[in-house]
Amino acid sequence: EIVLTQSPGTLSLSPGEGVTLSCRASQTVSGTSLAWFQHKPGQAPRLLIHGASKRATGIPGRFSASGSGTEFTLTISRLEPEDFAVYYCQEYGTSPKTFGGGTKVEIK
Amino acid sequence: EVQLVQSGGGLVRPGGSLRLSCVASGYTFGDNFIDWIRQAPGKGLEWVGRIKNKANSFITEYAASVRGRFTISRDDARNSAYLQVSSLKTDDTAVYYCARTFLGAADYWGQGALVAVSS
Repeated sequence: EIVLTQSPGTLSLSPGEGVTLSCRASQTVSGTSLAWFQHKPGQAPRLLIHGASKRATGIPGRFSASGSGTEFTLTISRLEPEDFAVYYCQEYGTSPKTFGGGTKVEIK
Repeated sequence: EVQLVQSGGGLVRPGGSLRLSCVASGYTFGDNFIDWIRQAPGKGLEWVGRIKNKANSFITEYAASVRGRFTISRDDARNSAYLQVSSLKTDDTAVYYCARTFLGAADYWGQGALVAVSS
């Protein structure tokens, strides 16, 4: 089982700031089978990125992602008020398709 | 518009069973896999399992924590997927989501269904 470790656990930031979130895998991720999700309370999670770096349909250009092997990052270039949420990475190339523990991006 | 609408959550006693449903619309249901994911109160997301499509022999996969107790199935004629949860434990209390997968990633999600296990 691949274990995904996200850091940091919580970030306190202001709208307009940029941020980079980290996701580290305990083993090499198969191909580019890494996704990022945004999750807000009371809502279903939203797919932001699949294939490690491909934006999902309708995702704004301020979201970008990169990485391969065991190191992956999600960058939000300028935080909008609606971006404050919890972000999860997920490896989906093997089974079980584990999620990271999440990074909460909160308003400072 | 792709939509997944869930039903079937509720309160159940430890050891009990429940069936969650997920009805899809807006796409050719048989083309995609379906994942089930849950979130326990105050916790992160946990992948529960997957059912592949007919082209992939309806193969199912499960997380170790639910294997042998949960069963995923689908009825392509009804554009529906199901999660049968049995031998429930208090640790299974969570919001359960179904999700369509596209190239392996969960791209459209249901609204979630709460399963509360309590005596």
